[in-house]
Amino acid sequence: KQEVTQIPAALSVPEGENLVLNCSFTDSAIYNLQWFRQDPGKGLTSLLLIQSSQREQTSGRLNASLDKSSGRSTLYIAASQPGDSATYLCALRSSGGSNYKLTFGKGTLLTVNP
Amino acid sequence: DAGVIQSPRHEVTEMGQEVTLRCKPISGHNSLFWYRQTMMRGLELLIYFNNNVPIDDSGMPEDRFSAKMPNASFSTLKIQPSEPRDSAVYFCASSPLRGDTGELFFGEGSRLTVL
Repeated sequence: KQEVTQIPAALSVPEGENLVLNCSFTDSAIYNLQWFRQDPGKGLTSLLLIQSSQREQTSGRLNASLDKSSGRSTLYIAASQPGDSATYLCALRSSGGSNYKLTFGKGTLLTVNP
Repeated sequence: DAGVIQSPRHEVTEMGQEVTLRCKPISGHNSLFWYRQTMMRGLELLIYFNNNVPIDDSGMPEDRFSAKMPNASFSTLKIQPSEPRDSAVYFCASSPLRGDTGELFFGEGSRLTVL
């Protein structure tokens, strides 16, 4: 059974700092991995999607990497801003029969202090 | 595009009442998912539709829960009768193409409180 872990559960940084959020998974047979952002009381907003054949994806100040062999993905946020404060979740689809299912981590609550 | 639209955004009801949550997926998306989010369990998949057909309802907790998708632009999740332990945020999400390849887009959620 695929398990997704995000450490730390919470992170607080000063504005302007570059930071890395971590996501680890137990089964490397994945189809794709998606990073989401969730603001309090809101839905999930898709940030980046990495297909199994890809190593990384970039969007603006965000860069997500995928290393299937080590069972890890990272989300790099450059020059963090207070508006980046939110919960960040990673989710992945495993290869195989039920590959429509996303397995979610519990998320990392990021606070960027002005 | 308006995104995935859910209603109501908030629902407070008493135990035993029927609750109906509604979802309009993004036009052109043929996969639809209902998720439930709680502090204790995180996000859980309740049911998955592809081309309006339920493919996997193994996550539906009990017979009190039912979901329908009468057409490509509308889905409902019904709880009857509701119980306090059903209190959670219920999300609808849609995806283009097949559910196993497409990016997932979520609605804003329906926060349900059962007293």
